Amino acid sequence: GESVGLHLPTLSVQEGDNSIINCAYSNSASDYFIWYKQESGKGPQFIIDIRSNMDKRQGQRVTVLLNKTVKHLSLQIAATQPGDSAVYFCAENRGNQFYFGTGTSLTVIP
Amino acid sequence: DAGVIQSPRHEVTEMGQEVTLRCKPISGHDYLFWYRQTMMRGLELLIYFNNNVPIDDSGMPEDRFSAKMPNASFSTLKIQPSEPRDSAVYFCASSLGPGQGVGGYTFGSGTRLTVV
Repeated sequence: GESVGLHLPTLSVQEGDNSIINCAYSNSASDYFIWYKQESGKGPQFIIDIRSNMDKRQGQRVTVLLNKTVKHLSLQIAATQPGDSAVYFCAENRGNQFYFGTGTSLTVIP
Repeated sequence: DAGVIQSPRHEVTEMGQEVTLRCKPISGHDYLFWYRQTMMRGLELLIYFNNNVPIDDSGMPEDRFSAKMPNASFSTLKIQPSEPRDSAVYFCASSLGPGQGVGGYTFGSGTRLTVV
């Protein structure tokens, strides 16, 4: 039979533009969230985290927004660069584990 | 810190052979996780250890898979016998805490396994 793989959402942006990557999480009990970046051939790398008692957290060129009402998380990347091209995962913490989303593939067009 | 170290980076083996993947976590990290990543299923947690003791192995697909952590600085994931459907990238990750540790997990570079 035909195999069906994950349909990774994709986002293409021009270099220098801002990027917004979205993630819906599943459990209202989740209290800690992380965005990971995975470049080709590498393991996921921590970008930024946020706890459930916060709505927004800023890092260097990245901002994470948390909307607990609709269980939505977003990652904003300012002035996107070619080196930002990767797959981005959100992860939610419940109990003793992180649960990962399927990821979004970001391509930066020079 | 050298980070989480996995070996080998690539492994190609024939169906039926035994495969052993290795991981050295970050020193001082009490938790170690084994993940499998495929296009079909994304990132799947296979098993995790706390202080060298397996805590949750419910993600291990079947009895052909086994994992050990004989000491705080070394873990193995073994597949015996291997099958083509085991082909995937296997990641090891470690952390200071189960999930609340700052920065979550630190992942290794992964082992790309191909079973032919």
